[in-house]
Amino acid sequence: EPEVTQTPSHQVTQMGQEVILRCVPISNHLYFYWYRQILGQKVEFLVSFYNNEISEKSEIFDDQFSVERPDGSNFTLKIRSTKLEDSAMYFCASSERGAGPNQPQHFGDGTRLSIL
Amino acid sequence: DQQVKQNSPSLSVQEGRISILNCDYTNSMFDYFLWYKKYPAEGPTFLISISSIKDKNEDGRFTVFLNKSAKHLSLHIVPSQPGDSAVYFCAASGGATNKLIFGTGTLLAVQP
Repeated sequence: EPEVTQTPSHQVTQMGQEVILRCVPISNHLYFYWYRQILGQKVEFLVSFYNNEISEKSEIFDDQFSVERPDGSNFTLKIRSTKLEDSAMYFCASSERGAGPNQPQHFGDGTRLSIL
Repeated sequence: DQQVKQNSPSLSVQEGRISILNCDYTNSMFDYFLWYKKYPAEGPTFLISISSIKDKNEDGRFTVFLNKSAKHLSLHIVPSQPGDSAVYFCAASGGATNKLIFGTGTLLAVQP
């Protein structure tokens, strides 16, 4: 069964450094998402991306964050200057079409980001 | 943000019995509800969903019930198996947005 793949599985970065998290969505999917889960908290929506542009973003997704689909397969999340509070599990997801009946989002296994 | 709530942090069930996981929501705009299962060190895995125009959806051992008037949904697993032991998340979306709003999860332990 097709799956969403994320790399790396664990990223350790010094505070203030830039980090890029990578995702390969399911190949025929058109909608892409990033979520994060801080330890002990809920899974939170960050951003959705469709047709090469951001379709929606949360309050968390400030100017330090950016997303890109640099080629036909990868979808990346960049954090420009990391802060301690960015430490979390970051999940990439994709769906074939937008939300609605029979349009579930499928998630990758996540990247654990640890900011020192 | 308490739009989706799972009030039971954990549930323990004997193998072969029914597991019932509950979820409440507050936003009337939600029109699509999903259940995900999550094992440690893995991402959420989609299990089953239901549209707000239905009150029940069944897929094998998994059935989701939706009570719109009570803003409540539940996931029934029958019969429960040890491999079902995981954290179960309820999620919802609706209105003009695709984003999923997640509950806090319920840890299900199925005892052999």
